[in-house]
Order: sequence, then structure tokens, then C-alpha cells
Amino acid sequence: AQKVTQAQTEISVVEKEDVTLDCVYETRDTTYYLFWYKQPPSGELVFLIRRNSFDEQNEISGRYSWNFQKSTSSFNFTITASQVVDSAVYFCALRPYYTGANSKLTFGKGITLSVRP
Amino acid sequence: KAGVTQTPRYLIKTRGQQVTLSCSPISGHRSVSWYQQTPGQGLQFLFEYFSETQRNKGNFPGRFSGRQFSNSRSEMNVSTLELGDSALYLCASSSSGEPYNEQFFGPGTRLTVL
Repeated sequence: AQKVTQAQTEISVVEKEDVTLDCVYETRDTTYYLFWYKQPPSGELVFLIRRNSFDEQNEISGRYSWNFQKSTSSFNFTITASQVVDSAVYFCALRPYYTGANSKLTFGKGITLSVRP
Repeated sequence: KAGVTQTPRYLIKTRGQQVTLSCSPISGHRSVSWYQQTPGQGLQFLFEYFSETQRNKGNFPGRFSGRQFSNSRSEMNVSTLELGDSALYLCASSSSGEPYNEQFFGPGTRLTVL
């Protein structure tokens, strides 16, 4: 069985602060994919990043960076110099490497990030 | 390229009724997945269709069903609605349905059951 835990439910920061969103996962699969999605107030989930379990290299994209640590089953997301437009609900998700039955995308409960001006 | 579209955007039904929601994937995408989002349970997987075949199903009762047409458009149906079915229903499409494919989500259908 797969499980994704996002222990933080709500985070509020002031603009320009850095913020880290935590994600811890559980899976019996040895190979899998991890994802982060953003859900702005409009409701549509937007893909941010995909990471496969083979690749533990951290990734940076502009103000966003991701830290994947297989040893601790964590895939944390950091926003540097946060902006008001970053306000949204952020979901971490996990999917097995294979297709077919039981290969579903499992989401965490989400973290509501509020960035105040 | 047009995104994933879902119709209707909002729906109000009463208990016991049935409802059909529609999803048009991005052109060329062959995989469509459905999710239910509620404040209490979060985002839960309903089912996945690929080339008109249900490839995967979540833990929902048989009242929830779906299908996919030859043009990849998909519908989901909920029969004998219950109050607890009130939720945002999200549809997502991907090119081939492979696990590494990112899923592109539609804006959702907000279903309210009274």
C-alpha cells in the first residue's frame, strides 16, 4: 500500500520569506515516481515536478527547489523569496513505476500556503 | 493546445438522483483519470481509462462508474446520489498513461447533493 503524508496543513508566511513544504511517503515498491502539484484558488491542479526513485539529484527551477532523500522517504519542496502568487494548496503524490492495476497516483492531503504581502 | 475541459462546472442534485459528468482530454491524450476531492478525504483516485478500457479502479462503491469513448472523451456516472458524494470531481489526461507521464487536470465539476 502507498501512503503520502504532508504533516503541515497550513503555512502562512510574509512575502520574500523562504518556505519549505514537507512530504514523506511510504511504499513497498522499489521503483516509483514522486510528483508535486499546485492547486491555486481556481481549482485546477498544475504539475510542478516529477522525480523517479532512481534519481536523488536535487532540482532547482527558478525560486523552486526540491530535495529528494530516499533514505528518509522524503521529497521536500522549498520556495525561495515567496510571492503572493505562490498562495495555493500544494500536493505531493506518489505512483508506482508500473502500469496496470494498483498503479494509481496517491496524493497527500495537501498544504495550504498563504503568502501575505 | 486546448486544455482538459469538464462539463458542467457546477451541478446541484438531490439525494437518490443520478448524475453524469463529462471530460474532454487534451487532443492526442489517450489516458483519462478521475479523482474525487473533498475537504475530509482529500484527493482520491476513482478510475483510469486508456483506449476505452478501464485500466485501474479506486476504492469506491459500484454506484460510481465511468467509460471512455473512441475519441478519448470520458464520462463518469454516479447513481443513487448520497450527501457524501458532494465534492469536486477532477478529470486528468495524459498522453499514454505511463506512470512517468504528468497528468493535466481540468478545472473540475463541483457537485452538490442536497
